[in-house]
Amino acid sequence: GAVVSQHPSWVICKSGTSVKIECRSLDFQATTMFWYRQFPKQSLMLMATSNEGSKATYEQGVEKDKFLINHASLTLSTLTVTSAHPEDSSFYICSAGPLRISYEQYFGPGTRLTVT
Amino acid sequence: KNQVEQSPQSLIILEGKNCTLQCNYTVSPFSNLRWYKQDTGRGPVSLTIMTFSENTKSNGRYTATLDADTKQSSLHITASQLSDSASYICVVSANRDDKIIFGKGTRLHILP
Repeated sequence: GAVVSQHPSWVICKSGTSVKIECRSLDFQATTMFWYRQFPKQSLMLMATSNEGSKATYEQGVEKDKFLINHASLTLSTLTVTSAHPEDSSFYICSAGPLRISYEQYFGPGTRLTVT
Repeated sequence: KNQVEQSPQSLIILEGKNCTLQCNYTVSPFSNLRWYKQDTGRGPVSLTIMTFSENTKSNGRYTATLDADTKQSSLHITASQLSDSASYICVVSANRDDKIIFGKGTRLHILP
């Protein structure tokens, strides 16, 4: 089956620094990638939709200047958390779809971000 | 408003027992419904995906049903194992704008 990887799997950073998380589709080309955030014991919350070669579409309430998304190639999307604060500590998960239709989605293993 | 409601919120059963998780949705126009299993600290893994015309789909000990008329789905787990302890998430996709709506999940705990 299709494989989506994320790097790093976990990261600890100091408040005020920026952190970049990578999401890669390993065996297929993904025209669309999605970024989610998940707090403990809660469901996934869609943050933004990343489209290759164009600007990301952010969900309501998500600060686009804080969560920078770049989808520069058909196999890589990055999420950069800028000027991270402790409240940004969360589990970040990406998913990738090989088609422009969203129902074909494969999730990455997630990245645990802890901001101290 | 597009919504996906799952029940129960959490469930505890003994190893070897069967259980059924429920998912009700109000998503329209309906495209497909998926069940995912998410282990703690891991990304979701797809169990089943069903479109409008499918009533049931199995994946090993997991069997999902879909009633498109009543907009209900269930996930039945047979002969539960300790490794089934996880969150089970129901996800419904809408045709319009390719919207994806997540349920809040059911946390299943299997006791030895």
